[in-house]
Amino acid sequence: AQSVTQLGSHVSVSEGALVLLRCNYSSSVPPYLFWYVQYPNQGLQLLLKYTSAATLVKGINGFEAEFKKSETSFHLTKPSAHMSDAAEYFCAVSNSGNTPLVFGKGTRLSVIA
Amino acid sequence: GAVVSQHPSRVICKSGTSVKIECRSLDFQATTMFWYRQFPKKSLMLMATSNEGSKATYEQGVEKDKFLINHASLTLSTLTVTSAHPEDSSFYICSAWGTGTSGGAPYNEQFFGPGTRLTVL
Repeated sequence: AQSVTQLGSHVSVSEGALVLLRCNYSSSVPPYLFWYVQYPNQGLQLLLKYTSAATLVKGINGFEAEFKKSETSFHLTKPSAHMSDAAEYFCAVSNSGNTPLVFGKGTRLSVIA
Repeated sequence: GAVVSQHPSRVICKSGTSVKIECRSLDFQATTMFWYRQFPKKSLMLMATSNEGSKATYEQGVEKDKFLINHASLTLSTLTVTSAHPEDSSFYICSAWGTGTSGGAPYNEQFFGPGTRLTVL
């Protein structure tokens, strides 16, 4: 069975500081990995995805994530936080494009001015 | 391309009534759709997998008689919450699996709808 662990339910950074949101996964097959962002009372927006191509994945809004098989990790980073980045972030894993996603519990990012 | 819509976006109903939520793939055909539920300040949990023309597959602990899923066409899946109770209040999100090309680039992935917030009084 697949699973996702997001370390830290709440991360707080200063505006302009590095953002690092951690995600570790468990999968018996090569995984598809995703990061989604959710703003209050809204749906999910895909930030980026890994589907067995390049291990360093660049997404929208300046975010990127690196797939590290040896560490079973897919951490999300952004060099400089912006106030508009404050939201809930979910890491997710699936076997392929047409299998359901298993989500982590989410990490709430706060950005302090 | 690859847009999924949900209707309604918000619904408030009385306890004991039934509510139908629609999930549509607007510009692609989706043989498989998924229904997720999200409790306040919680993550998304898969409720069921909906396949066009066949019965939905429900996750353990999800009452199939309470959450009726119908995937009658390649672009529409519906979730009906029957005899709703306050504990059914939640954010329901669907996703549709699609394959094709967008801007010349191939895709094979799920696309999420914007969600439906259900409040049962």
